[in-house]
Amino acid sequence: AQSVTQPDIHITVSEGASLELRCNYSYGATPYLFWYVQSPGQGLQLLLKYFSGDTLVQGIKGFEAEFKRSQSSFNLRKPSVHWSDAAEYFCAVGPSLIQGAQKLVFGQGTRLTINP
Amino acid sequence: NAGVTQTPKFRVLKTGQSMTLLCAQDMNHEYMYWYRQDPGMGLRLIHYSVGEGTTAKGEVPDGYNVSRLKKQNFLLGLESAAPSQTSVYFCASSYKGGRRTEAFFGQGTRLTVV
Repeated sequence: AQSVTQPDIHITVSEGASLELRCNYSYGATPYLFWYVQSPGQGLQLLLKYFSGDTLVQGIKGFEAEFKRSQSSFNLRKPSVHWSDAAEYFCAVGPSLIQGAQKLVFGQGTRLTINP
Repeated sequence: NAGVTQTPKFRVLKTGQSMTLLCAQDMNHEYMYWYRQDPGMGLRLIHYSVGEGTTAKGEVPDGYNVSRLKKQNFLLGLESAAPSQTSVYFCASSYKGGRRTEAFFGQGTRLTVV
């Protein structure tokens, strides 16, 4: 069965520090991978996605993620975090379609706290 | 352009009461989804719809019903609420484009069943 694991439930970093959020997936075929961010009281916003090609993908708000097939990972990175990055981050994999609809499998989420 | 709009945003129910959550999208998307979000469990798919008049079960459908009478609306119903249904509910929609399509999410409905 498809699954996504985000090993870190909660991470705290200082403003200006670098960030890496981990995501590991289990999927039988080529995965389509996503990172979503949920700011407090808001819905989920797509940060970036990987379908094929270049394994380093750029997203919005200065985020990037690297797909490593050998490690079944899709880690999210940012060189320098801002206080506004405090949020919950979800990694998701899009497996095979159900009647054409895309069923996303989400990780448990990582809550990011930024220290001033 | 409003995107995906969910109403209400907050609700408290007593055990056994019923309610309907409304999801509306203005992007002319074919596909719509209802997820629930619980601490430590990410989001799980409750029901989904691939078009007007069609619905199907997701991972955790028990205790919920859905209807898609109009393309732009997807309703999630709780006939007899239980404390286990305390959760944050998210609606999403996507266009008909296969695995590469992006799902757009609403702001969520926080439901508490006491």
